Amino acid sequence: AQSVTQPDIHITVSEGASLELRCNYSYGATPYLFWYVQSPGQGLQLLLKYFSGDTLVQGIKGFEAEFKRSQSSFNLRKPSVHWSDAAEYFCAVGPPSNTGKLIFGQGTTLQVKP
Amino acid sequence: EPEVTQTPSHQVTQMGQEVILRCVPISNHLYFYWYRQILGQKVEFLVSFYNNEISEKSEIFDDQFSVERPDGSNFTLKIRSTKLEDSAMYFCASSVRTGGTEAFFGQGTRLTVV
Repeated sequence: AQSVTQPDIHITVSEGASLELRCNYSYGATPYLFWYVQSPGQGLQLLLKYFSGDTLVQGIKGFEAEFKRSQSSFNLRKPSVHWSDAAEYFCAVGPPSNTGKLIFGQGTTLQVKP
Repeated sequence: EPEVTQTPSHQVTQMGQEVILRCVPISNHLYFYWYRQILGQKVEFLVSFYNNEISEKSEIFDDQFSVERPDGSNFTLKIRSTKLEDSAMYFCASSVRTGGTEAFFGQGTRLTVV
């Protein structure tokens, strides 16, 4: 079955510290991969995406993610977290033929300590 | 920057009533989607819509749900007879095409059925 797992429901980091949010997927073929962020009262904003090519992708707000085919993972990273990064982060996958039909992980809530 | 807009942001309705959730996709987009997120659960795909017809729907999208593009700009989700379990955040999304590009999400409509 196709699925996305974000093992960490809630993560707390100190401002300025590095961050890594984990995402593992189960899919028949290599899907398209996405990270979205949702701030309170806001919609889902795309942080970055992987379609093909370089497995390290850069996104907005200083985020990056690395696709590892052998581990079926697409972990999100940021070297130095800012207080404004506190939000909920969703990993999602979609078939290359239809990037609108996405399967989402359950989300990771990031709290940033001053 | 173009964005997907949804109205209302919050709707409260009585069980058994019909509700219509409205979305204005990005103007040059051709593919439209509805997702929902029940509180504490994953974001789930409901339906995709292209060329004035449903292209794909999930098991959740049963006969009480319908979608429509009544004019050149709006995309609506109708729930005919709401149930308590329909309480959720509903997200509209749109994309230029299906493959090789991302879907853009609106800020969501929180539906509360009482």
